[in-house]
Amino acid sequence: ELKVEQNPLFLSMQEGKNYTIYCNYSTTSDRLYWYRQDPGKSLESLFVLLSNGAVKQEGRLMASLDTKARLSTLHITAAVHDLSATYFCAVPNSGGYQKVTFGTGTKLQVIP
Amino acid sequence: EPEVTQTPSHQVTQMGQEVILRCVPISNHLYFYWYRQILGQKVEFLVSFYNNEISEKSEIFDDQFSVERPDGSNFTLKIRSTKLEDSAMYFCASSEAAVGYTFGSGTRLTVV
Repeated sequence: ELKVEQNPLFLSMQEGKNYTIYCNYSTTSDRLYWYRQDPGKSLESLFVLLSNGAVKQEGRLMASLDTKARLSTLHITAAVHDLSATYFCAVPNSGGYQKVTFGTGTKLQVIP
Repeated sequence: EPEVTQTPSHQVTQMGQEVILRCVPISNHLYFYWYRQILGQKVEFLVSFYNNEISEKSEIFDDQFSVERPDGSNFTLKIRSTKLEDSAMYFCASSEAAVGYTFGSGTRLTVV
């Protein structure tokens, strides 16, 4: 059974600081997704990582994927308050049909 | 940008009642899904639907649950006899064959 773990679960950081969220998964997958969720809202797609070594950047967020280590990182550069949200990674299960297993989520609070 | 539309946004129902949650996936997508998120917890897979039939379902998706695609556009989730523990945010999603999901805005179901 695929397990997806994120750490930390909670992250409180000051504006302007850098930090990294980690996502580990237990079985082989060549792709991984990152989502953002604001309180009471839907899941907004941030990054789709489709291969080993993939790196994508959007604004202050950068995501990478190491399929051999079964690890993805979401790096935050010079955090701003607007980045406060919960971030989820999600890994497709093997066997087709695109079912994904979500990580536990990382609740990020950026303090002005 | 194409959207997945869900209605209603909030549904309050009495325990034991039937509810139908509605979704309009993106028109050229072929795969449809329901996920749920109990408040403050991670996102859990319920069911996937392809080619007019269920392709995969989780342990949560028991006999109380059913899905339908009654016409060319709608995709519904029915809960026959709601329980208190069914209270959650329910997300519909759709995808093309290989890349990521688009999630709807969700339906908050409250069972009283």
